Amino acid sequence: KQEVTQIPAALSVPEGENLVLNCSFTDSAIYNLQWFRQDPGKGLTSLLLIQSSQREQTSGRLNASLDKSSGRSTLYIAASQPGDSATYLCAVKSGTYKYIFGTGTRLKVLA
Amino acid sequence: EAQVTQNPRYLITVTGKKLTVTCSQNMNHEYMSWYRQDPGLGLRQIYYSMNVEVTDKGDVPEGYKVSRKEKRNFPLILESPSPNQTSLYFCASTLDRTTDTQYFGPGTRLTVL
Repeated sequence: KQEVTQIPAALSVPEGENLVLNCSFTDSAIYNLQWFRQDPGKGLTSLLLIQSSQREQTSGRLNASLDKSSGRSTLYIAASQPGDSATYLCAVKSGTYKYIFGTGTRLKVLA
Repeated sequence: EAQVTQNPRYLITVTGKKLTVTCSQNMNHEYMSWYRQDPGLGLRQIYYSMNVEVTDKGDVPEGYKVSRKEKRNFPLILESPSPNQTSLYFCASTLDRTTDTQYFGPGTRLTVL
């Protein structure tokens, strides 16, 4: 059974730092992996989607990598800002319509 | 504006009183899904629908029903809610199975007393 883990559960960093969020999964047979951002009281916003055949995706200050063989993905945030404070979730698509989410990393960027 | 809407956003009810949470998308997406989010457990898939009149169970379907009579709507039905269904519920949609970006609604916070 696919399990997705995100470590750490919470992270607090000063503004301007580069940081890495981790996501690991137990079954490498995935279709893709997606990173989301969740703000309090709001839904999830898709940040990056990496297909199983890809190694990384970039959008602005965000870069996500995928290593299927080791069951890991990282989300790299460059030059963090207070507006980046949110909960970051990763999700793997492990079946045609089946998505498994991690429990998230709660990020706080201090001004 | 392309969006997924859910109603109500907040609901407090009592055990056994049937309720429906509506979900609607205006993007002509084929695929829709319901999740519940609980502290320490993350988002778990309840039901999903591949298209009109086609639905299937996710990981935690017990106590829930769904229907997909129109492409844009995917209501979640709790026939006899219980306190363990107190949770934050999200609806999501995707264009089709090859276009995987999921678009989420704002969530419905349900409390069952």
